[in-house]
Amino acid sequence: AQSVTQLDSQVPVFEEAPVELRCNYSSSVSVYLFWYVQYPNQGLQLLLKYLSGSTLVKGINGFEAEFNKSQTSFHLRKPSVHISDTAEYFCAVSAQTGANNLFFGTGTRLTVIP
Amino acid sequence: DSGVTQTPKHLITATGQRVTLRCSPRSGDLSVYWYQQSLDQGLQFLIHYYNGEERAKGNILERFSAQQFPDLHSELNLSSLELGDSALYFCASSVDAGNTEAFFGQGTRLTVV
Repeated sequence: AQSVTQLDSQVPVFEEAPVELRCNYSSSVSVYLFWYVQYPNQGLQLLLKYLSGSTLVKGINGFEAEFNKSQTSFHLRKPSVHISDTAEYFCAVSAQTGANNLFFGTGTRLTVIP
Repeated sequence: DSGVTQTPKHLITATGQRVTLRCSPRSGDLSVYWYQQSLDQGLQFLIHYYNGEERAKGNILERFSAQQFPDLHSELNLSSLELGDSALYFCASSVDAGNTEAFFGQGTRLTVV
């Protein structure tokens, strides 16, 4: 099975400052990697995904993430955050073969301070 | 709007009761996944259906069951409800069973009193 660790449960950051949300995973098989965002009282929206190829992936709303296989990490970054980025962010993995449901981390609450 | 529709949005029911949550996947999607989001357990996978057949089970209680119908909509049945079943239940759909991109509905918030 797979597991995901999001090291920071809460990250406060000032508006227009850069941010990094950390994600590490564990798996005995090859995986796909995802970041989802959840705004209050809403469902999960896909920010970006890594399937294969370039380890730097760009997503929506100016976010990007880098897959590091040796460190089993998939950290999410944004160079300049906006108030509207305040939300819960979930890192997730799924196996490339077999049962391919998503395994989620516990989430990181990003709060952007004006 | 993800294209995945879940009904109802909110449900309040008493312990011991049975409820049915409904999910309509995006047009053309054959896979439906059910997830439970609770404060103490986070987001957990319950069950996956592909084109009407069960493909994988996660941490789904025996009191819970699901099915996917020929028109590809899915229902999650929760019975003998307990206070601890209170949670947000999400449905997600994807085109195939490979889950390279799953689209989530807005969820059904279940409150058991």
